[in-house]
Amino acid sequence: EDQVTQSPEALRLQEGESSSLNCSYTVSGLRGLFWYRQDPGKGPEFLFTLYSAGEEKEKERLKATLTKKESFLHITAPKPEDSATYLCAVQAEGVSGGSNYKLTFGKGTLLTVNP
Amino acid sequence: SAVISQKPSRDICQRGTSLTIQCQVDSQVTMMFWYRQQPGQSLTLIATANQGSEATYESGFVIDKFPISRPNLTFSTLTVSNMSPEDSSIYLCSVNRGDTIYFGEGSWLTVV
Repeated sequence: EDQVTQSPEALRLQEGESSSLNCSYTVSGLRGLFWYRQDPGKGPEFLFTLYSAGEEKEKERLKATLTKKESFLHITAPKPEDSATYLCAVQAEGVSGGSNYKLTFGKGTLLTVNP
Repeated sequence: SAVISQKPSRDICQRGTSLTIQCQVDSQVTMMFWYRQQPGQSLTLIATANQGSEATYESGFVIDKFPISRPNLTFSTLTVSNMSPEDSSIYLCSVNRGDTIYFGEGSWLTVV
């Protein structure tokens, strides 16, 4: 069974204080690892997809990296508007039909950035 | 990206009643997905809806409780039947564009 564990559950940073969020996963074969941002009262907003170990992607102050067992979301010099819940999800390969697109999510990391 | 609209955005429902959630996508898609996000829990896939065929349900979810319709390539509904307080959740519609999965804003249901 695919499993995703995110840590820490909550993280409080001062503006400008860089840090990383962790996503550990267990999957039979990884098709893709997804990162989303979710603001209160909203649906998840797509950030990145990573497909193979060693891959990195960047968007503004965010950089996602991937190894064979985990992914990190690095936040450089965060601002208060980066406050949100960050969700990690995996998609397994080798599943037929609609479940081929199934995402298995972690519980998320609630990030708070204080001014 | 994809523009996904859900109705209702929020509702308070009485125990034992049923509620239908609508999902409209800005362009045609083959598959639409319904997820549930219970308080403090991960998003969990309920079912995959293909146009013109029966929805495929994940383990732990059944058609009698969560009937789904998919009348065309831009629209789907999810009904939450005979609701109990345990059904209080966010219900999310999603679609794929290529390999990327996009989500709607969610329908926040509270069962009292």
